[in-house]
Amino acid sequence: AQSVAQPEDQVNVAEGNPLTVKCTYSVSGNPYLFWYVQYPNRGLQFLLKYITGDNLVKGSYGFEAEFNKSQTSFHLKKPSALVSDSALYFCAVIRGGDMRFGAGTRLTVKP
Amino acid sequence: SAVISQKPSRDICQRGTSLTIQCQVDSQVTMMFWYRQQPGQSLTLIATANQGSEATYESGFVIDKFPISRPNLTFSTLTVSNMSPEDSSIYLCSVPQGDTGELFFGEGSRLTVL
Repeated sequence: AQSVAQPEDQVNVAEGNPLTVKCTYSVSGNPYLFWYVQYPNRGLQFLLKYITGDNLVKGSYGFEAEFNKSQTSFHLKKPSALVSDSALYFCAVIRGGDMRFGAGTRLTVKP
Repeated sequence: SAVISQKPSRDICQRGTSLTIQCQVDSQVTMMFWYRQQPGQSLTLIATANQGSEATYESGFVIDKFPISRPNLTFSTLTVSNMSPEDSSIYLCSVPQGDTGELFFGEGSRLTVL
């Protein structure tokens, strides 16, 4: 059963505009949620996580994510996109002790 | 965060051959995970490698095809056996950090099977 869903394969934004990359989850209880970024020909880099506490979590490179329990969402956001943010973004959740990944969303930021 | 080194970073292999990927971590870890990322796809967990015991494989992955060794707390290998073009993927080693299970990844090993 799918644990996290990323409904958008591709997101395009103009440099300087805010960006949102969507993620919804379907695990029961209190989920541990994560965002990772993958630049071309690189491994995955950890961006941020939600475990408990404040629903708005801040991470690396100016990214933040908001945990919304009623909507079972954990969308990744950044107030002002950079061309260098162009990459593949993965949402992930801990399920049964293992980390499960969404399908990924390719973010393209155009100058 | 842990520093994870993988070798080889990339390789081109012939059908029917086998290749062993190495993963070295700069600190001792109990659990190591091997993931596969097929072209244009997300990450799929292959197996969990615990030191001192047999690896635990996910559904769809078997030990004969993906034998794993875990000789100590800082090292693991994944072998892709009898390769076919469908095995062309990035193979990633990862380790958990902290008590919340977040994973840190190596740079990956990109295999192309001809």
